[in-house]
Amino acid sequence: EPEVTQTPSHQVTQMGQEVILRCVPISNHLYFYWYRQILGQKVEFLVSFYNNEISEKSEIFDDQFSVERPDGSNFTLKIRSTKLEDSAMYFCASSTTGFSNYGYTFGSGTRLTVV
Amino acid sequence: KQEVTQIPAALSVPEGENLVLNCSFTDSAIYNLQWFRQDPGKGLTSLLLIQSSQREQTSGRLNASLDKSSGRSTLYIAASQPGDSATYLCVVLPMRFGAGTRLTVKP
Repeated sequence: EPEVTQTPSHQVTQMGQEVILRCVPISNHLYFYWYRQILGQKVEFLVSFYNNEISEKSEIFDDQFSVERPDGSNFTLKIRSTKLEDSAMYFCASSTTGFSNYGYTFGSGTRLTVV
Repeated sequence: KQEVTQIPAALSVPEGENLVLNCSFTDSAIYNLQWFRQDPGKGLTSLLLIQSSQREQTSGRLNASLDKSSGRSTLYIAASQPGDSATYLCVVLPMRFGAGTRLTVKP
């Protein structure tokens, strides 16, 4: 069964450093998403991406965040200057259509620890 | 703004019991609703997707219902097993997660 692949599975970074989280969505999916889950809290929407541009973003997705689809397969989330409160599990998801007539498929996540 | 609530927050049952997890949402103008399972420290596994025109979906021992007019969905798990222990998340599409129900099935 097709999968969404995220790398790395765990990343530790120092406060103030830039990190790039990588995702390979399912190949025929057109919509891509990033979510995060702070330990013990709800999964929160960050951003959705379609046709090489952001289609929607939450209030969490401020200027320190950016997303990119640098080639035909990868979808990345960049955090420019990490803060301690950015420590969370970051999930990538993809879907065939917007708002998912077929639902989301999620990756297994990247655990980001900012020290 | 859509709010999604899951009750109970935690549930512990003996093996073999049938159980119901509840999800409610405030705005009935939804596209679809999806139930996920999350194991500790792991990703999200899709269990069932109910499209807005449907009333229920079944997969094995799982049955999910959707009542848009009342803003409710339920996930029914039949004959629960210890391997069902996980957090179950309701997602109202687009993009709103409930906080989840943490289920423990005791052998």
